[in-house]
Amino acid sequence: DTAVSQTPKYLVTQMGNDKSIKCEQNLGHDTMYWYKQDSKKFLKIMFSYNNKELIINETVPNRFSPKSPDKAHLNLHINSLELGDSAVYFCASSQFLAGTDTQYFGPGTRLTVL
Amino acid sequence: AQSVTQLGSHVSVSEGALVLLRCNYSSSVPPYLFWYVQYPNQGLQLLLKYTSAATLVKGINGFEAEFKKSETSFHLTKPSAHMSDAAEYFCAVSDLSGNEKLTFGTGTRLTIIP
Repeated sequence: DTAVSQTPKYLVTQMGNDKSIKCEQNLGHDTMYWYKQDSKKFLKIMFSYNNKELIINETVPNRFSPKSPDKAHLNLHINSLELGDSAVYFCASSQFLAGTDTQYFGPGTRLTVL
Repeated sequence: AQSVTQLGSHVSVSEGALVLLRCNYSSSVPPYLFWYVQYPNQGLQLLLKYTSAATLVKGINGFEAEFKKSETSFHLTKPSAHMSDAAEYFCAVSDLSGNEKLTFGTGTRLTIIP
C-alpha cells in the first residue's frame, strides 16, 4: 500500500495552461505539505495544512492554490503556468508533534512547462 | 530563523570506506534536526532525527549522526559505504514555532566508487 501517492507522476503542458496535481495519504496523518524541488535539487516548502486548515503559506505566486477537501487529500492547482514553474512537486504528510514529526513524502510529480 | 548549511554538494567515497556528510545549523535555540535521503526518481525518506534526547542518533541503513552544540553541527556518518547508498542527502531543521515547517539544506550527492 502506497502511504503518500501523487497523480500524475509526469505532467507536460504549455505555458498559460491550468493544471492540478492530486495527493492522497493513507497514514491517518493530520498535516499535509507541498514542496517544490528545482533543477538544482533545492527543496522548499510551499504550503501546509493541518486538519484542513492552511498553516504555512510561503511566498508563492497566487497562481498556486492548494485545496484540502479532507485530511487525507491535498491538491495543488496552478493557473497560467509559466516556464519557471517547471520542477518536481512533492507532497508530504505527518502527524503533528510540535516540530519533531517525521514527514513522509510522495514520489513526486515532474512538471514540465513548454 | 533556523537554517542549515551542507558543505560539499558532491561527495565520492569508495565502497567500504567511511561516509561523512557535513551539516551545520544556525539556530538561536536548540533545534530539531533531520537527515533525509532521496534515491533517484523517488521522494525523500527519513534517515534519522535529533529531537533533544541522545546526541548520538542512529538511523536506518547503518547511518548515524551526532549533534554537537559547540560546533553547531549534525554530521551524518556511516562506517562502510555500500553501492546502494548512492543518493542525494538532505539535512533539515524544524521551525520551532509549532507549524512543522522544515527548512532543507541544498543537498549532498553521494557517489560510491566500486
